[in-house]
Amino acid sequence: SQKIEQNSEALNIQEGKTATLTCNYTNYSPAYLQWYRQDPGRGPVFLLLIRENEKEKRKERLKVTFDTTLKQSLFHITASQPADSATYLCALQYGGATNKLIFGTGTLLAVQP
Amino acid sequence: NAGVTQTPKFQVLKTGQSMTLQCAQDMNHNSMYWYRQDPGMGLRLIYYSASEGTTDKGEVPNGYNVSRLNKREFSLRLESAAPSQTSVYFCAIAEQGSKETQYFGPGTRLLVL
Repeated sequence: SQKIEQNSEALNIQEGKTATLTCNYTNYSPAYLQWYRQDPGRGPVFLLLIRENEKEKRKERLKVTFDTTLKQSLFHITASQPADSATYLCALQYGGATNKLIFGTGTLLAVQP
Repeated sequence: NAGVTQTPKFQVLKTGQSMTLQCAQDMNHNSMYWYRQDPGMGLRLIYYSASEGTTDKGEVPNGYNVSRLNKREFSLRLESAAPSQTSVYFCAIAEQGSKETQYFGPGTRLLVL
């Protein structure tokens, strides 16, 4: 079965630094991978999607890479701010046209002022 | 969480009681999903509906039933609640085709005593 691993330990960084979160997966070759942000007590919110034929995707201060050989995605937040503090989830597509996703457990990011 | 509403926000049940969680959307998306989120387990798919009139099991369907009432509404029913069903339940929606982003509702927190 598919397995996704995200660093379960919280990531603490200083404001202004770049945060890098890791998502590793096994036993599958997804057509695309997504990253979501989740704040306490709220539902996940979509951030970025990257396809298997894309190496890198950017959106404002966010950057995602996708290495299908290593079976790994990296999620970067540059010039991090305390407002970026949240849990970040990666999700892999499976199930073809049904758009089913399998989610990682998430990494808690804490940006210190 | 725009466009996806869930009711109730919070519910306490006794073991053996039944209840229905409601989800409604105003984004005219075809696909709807029910997830549960537990500490250390991440989001797990319970059931999904690829389009109106169809439903299918996800990763953890036991103890649940669903009904796609129409294109807007997708309900999740617990016929005989068990303490193991204590969780936060999220409804999500997605367009079919090339737009795979999922939009999540605010969640229902369920406590089964």
